[in-house]
Amino acid sequence: AQSVTQLGSHVSVSEGALVLLRCNYSSSVPPYLFWYVQYPNQGLQLLLKYTTGATLVKGINGFEAEFKKSETSFHLTKPSAHMSDAAEYFCAVSGHSNYQLIWGAGTKLIIKP
Amino acid sequence: KAGVTQTPRYLIKTRGQQVTLSCSPISGHRSVSWYQQTPGQGLQFLFEYFSETQRNKGNFPGRFSGRQFSNSRSEMNVSTLELGDSALYLCASSLVQGMNEKLFFGSGTQLSVL
Repeated sequence: AQSVTQLGSHVSVSEGALVLLRCNYSSSVPPYLFWYVQYPNQGLQLLLKYTTGATLVKGINGFEAEFKKSETSFHLTKPSAHMSDAAEYFCAVSGHSNYQLIWGAGTKLIIKP
Repeated sequence: KAGVTQTPRYLIKTRGQQVTLSCSPISGHRSVSWYQQTPGQGLQFLFEYFSETQRNKGNFPGRFSGRQFSNSRSEMNVSTLELGDSALYLCASSLVQGMNEKLFFGSGTQLSVL
């Protein structure tokens, strides 16, 4: 069965610093991988996704993630944090034939001025 | 184009009551999924409807049910509410079934069970 682990329920970085949010998955075959962002009192918005092809995926708002099959990881990064990046971030996976999304528990990103 | 609309935004109920939540998908979208979000648990998949038929179901008790109408609007019902049902319930729509990369979420209904 697929599962998703997000390391750290809360991550705090200073404005301008590197953002690194970790996501590891377990799956018998390379899955489809997603990062979603949820701003306060809002629904979820797709940041980026990996399905096939290039393993470094660029998303909106300057975020990117790299699919590393050998490490079963899909970590989310942004070179320079902005106050507007404060939100909760969710990693999710789905299979190629089973479309149901399996979600991580989420990581709250806190930006310090 | 209007986004996914969920009503009501907030609900307060007591144990044992039942509740109905509504979701209007983006115009033209025919698939609607429902999720339960609780702090520290992430999102748990409830069910997905496409063309008025339930296509997928998560691991929730039978107290959780749903339906989809011919205009693709969907309702979710929870009967005999328990304290643990307090959560944010999110609805997501897509053009067709299984389009995870094209999911659009509503802002959710925050349900509090007292």
